Amino acid sequence: QKEVEQDPGPLSVPEGAIVSLNCTYSNSAFQYFMWYRQYSRKGPELLMYTYSSGNKEDGRFTAQVDKSSKYISLFIRDSQPSDSATYLCATDSGGGADGLTFGKGTHLIIQP
Amino acid sequence: DSGVTQTPKHLITATGQRVTLRCSPRSGDLSVYWYQQSLDQGLQFLIQYYNGEERAKGNILERFSAQQFPDLHSELNLSSLELGDSALYFCASSATPRAGDSPLHFGNGTRLTVT
Repeated sequence: QKEVEQDPGPLSVPEGAIVSLNCTYSNSAFQYFMWYRQYSRKGPELLMYTYSSGNKEDGRFTAQVDKSSKYISLFIRDSQPSDSATYLCATDSGGGADGLTFGKGTHLIIQP
Repeated sequence: DSGVTQTPKHLITATGQRVTLRCSPRSGDLSVYWYQQSLDQGLQFLIQYYNGEERAKGNILERFSAQQFPDLHSELNLSSLELGDSALYFCASSATPRAGDSPLHFGNGTRLTVT
């Protein structure tokens, strides 16, 4: 079982819809959870950075972590065509010395 | 703009050759991470340096090596290149030695094509 699992999509939704992106992880020691957005031929851009369980909101974006079920989510409200990108979830190494562990990313398409 | 600068943006070279990728971290960041991104493997952690010292190793091949200099810029050296080394190579930086304690900020990568 991979440490971080993410549906690759593509996920296609109409403009203005609420988007839900999800990841599951296997190691209960993970404490830090991040969401990155990556446009084609660009580097990943940090969207949300959270610690432990709970919700964090930033503008149209809400990150949610449920450590009991090892499930992390990113919600995008009032989605825009400019939100079309690949979204990557990431976790820390749970106290180990490795870099962040990334999901493979979900390709999101917002249809105008 | 993340503040992380990577050069060159593109690199085309032949099998068996050696290349050097360069990264300048964000101002004030002491940690530098190198990642490889391919279509089938996603982002794979290669190696991390903190304040000039190697701190963590991931899935880095023996043909690859890296270093971080006193001015904190880092270089990733790839040698005896194979077709399968073609990928995007990203550098990221952060303020703390442990991944996750502070967020990682990525550069726009170097696209390596081995022919």
